[in-house]
Amino acid sequence: QVQLQESGPGLVKPSQTLSLTCTVSNGSIASGDYCWSWIRQHPQKGLEWIGYSYYSGSAFYNPSLRSRVRISVDTSKNQFSLHLKSVTAADTAVYYCARFVDTTMVQTFDYWGQGTLVTVSS
Amino acid sequence: DIQMTQSPSSLSASVGDRVTITCRASESIIKYLNWYQQKPGKGPKLLIYAASTLHSGVPSRFSGSGSGTEFTLTISSLQPEDFATYYCQQSYNSPQTFGRGTKVEIK
Repeated sequence: QVQLQESGPGLVKPSQTLSLTCTVSNGSIASGDYCWSWIRQHPQKGLEWIGYSYYSGSAFYNPSLRSRVRISVDTSKNQFSLHLKSVTAADTAVYYCARFVDTTMVQTFDYWGQGTLVTVSS
Repeated sequence: DIQMTQSPSSLSASVGDRVTITCRASESIIKYLNWYQQKPGKGPKLLIYAASTLHSGVPSRFSGSGSGTEFTLTISSLQPEDFATYYCQQSYNSPQTFGRGTKVEIK
């Protein structure tokens, strides 16, 4: 089955850019049926969808983060990335990458990475 | 944004119990409702999509029902590996939104 694995710095300074990469294995990222997604979970709180991108580069973001976020896809490496700029302590969270199935009958996050904790602190 | 409200926020149950979790949407989401299970330190796992379809490999003791604004997740006979937090999520409208979770603990 498809596996996803997040990687990137666990500590980011305030005002800097948080950058994470998700490596997809046992499946191709170049499929029109899927969106490659980022979701975060603040400590002891619920889940927040950040955004997702088709492999073509067409991306959709949560309006609450749209001005600061960009998701990119690298089909040659079977990876996709999250870039969140101008971070503050409020961006401290566990960040998950996930595959979103986008078909007429099915719209769901069917596979997730294990998550990576990113702390924003000087 | 569509608000997803889960109840209860936590419950205590014993192995073998029947457990029901409710999720209500602030507006109709037809059947665009998914359920996930999360264990500590792990990413969520998909259990049910489109309100009632079991994801591949998920035990048949899990079932989902509902449409419109009210949905339920039922575990027919709770097993030791089912103690976890459960989340509902709507995919009808962007942004995708999740419930706050229901923690199922051992009685």
